[in-house]
Amino acid sequence: QKEVEQNSGPLSVPEGAIASLNCTYSDRGSQSFFWYRQYSGKSPELIMSIYSNGDKEDGRFTAQLNKASQYVSLLIRDSQPSDSATYLCASMYSGGGADGLTFGKGTHLIIQP
Amino acid sequence: GAGVSQSPSNKVTEKGKDVELRCDPISGHTALYWYRQRLGQGLEFLIYFQGNSAPDKSGLPSDRFSAERTGESVSTLTIQRTQQEDSAVYLCASRSTVSSYNEQFFGPGTRLTVL
Repeated sequence: QKEVEQNSGPLSVPEGAIASLNCTYSDRGSQSFFWYRQYSGKSPELIMSIYSNGDKEDGRFTAQLNKASQYVSLLIRDSQPSDSATYLCASMYSGGGADGLTFGKGTHLIIQP
Repeated sequence: GAGVSQSPSNKVTEKGKDVELRCDPISGHTALYWYRQRLGQGLEFLIYFQGNSAPDKSGLPSDRFSAERTGESVSTLTIQRTQQEDSAVYLCASRSTVSSYNEQFFGPGTRLTVL
């Protein structure tokens, strides 16, 4: 059973601070990892993808992957009120993309002005 | 270019009726996925298409659910004899198989309400 676990929150962070979101996954065969942002009533929007151990930076976002610990994280620097949303962590087992994504239930992030 | 589109955006139906949901993927994306998101829950994978073939249908919740894809483009998800537990947002995603990345891009979803 492939599982992705996230703290549901809410995680409250002051504007301008760093928001740190975490997720763990159960299947060591997972090869690809993704962070999606979902605003209330909207569909998921891809924020970051990561495939190798280490850090990957894109603007204010940094994704971190540690396959030995089966741990994925997302850091949001200089948090803005518009970053308030639910963040979904997802994993994919097959490198060929033949499997669907396994999603966590999401962490609700609130950025306080 | 245009993203993934889905129709209808909302569908209200009576228990026992059949419904058909449509997904139009990003042009050129040969991989297409259907997911379901119940209220307050995570996304649940339903089925995957590579071209017009669905290698794995094991994610479909019951035999009332079926899906097809034609012309390596539009896909339809059909739910027969709808039940109240089918109420959810049905999301479609597509992925390019040209790229080595496995990134999936979602459409806006169809919100299904079964009365």
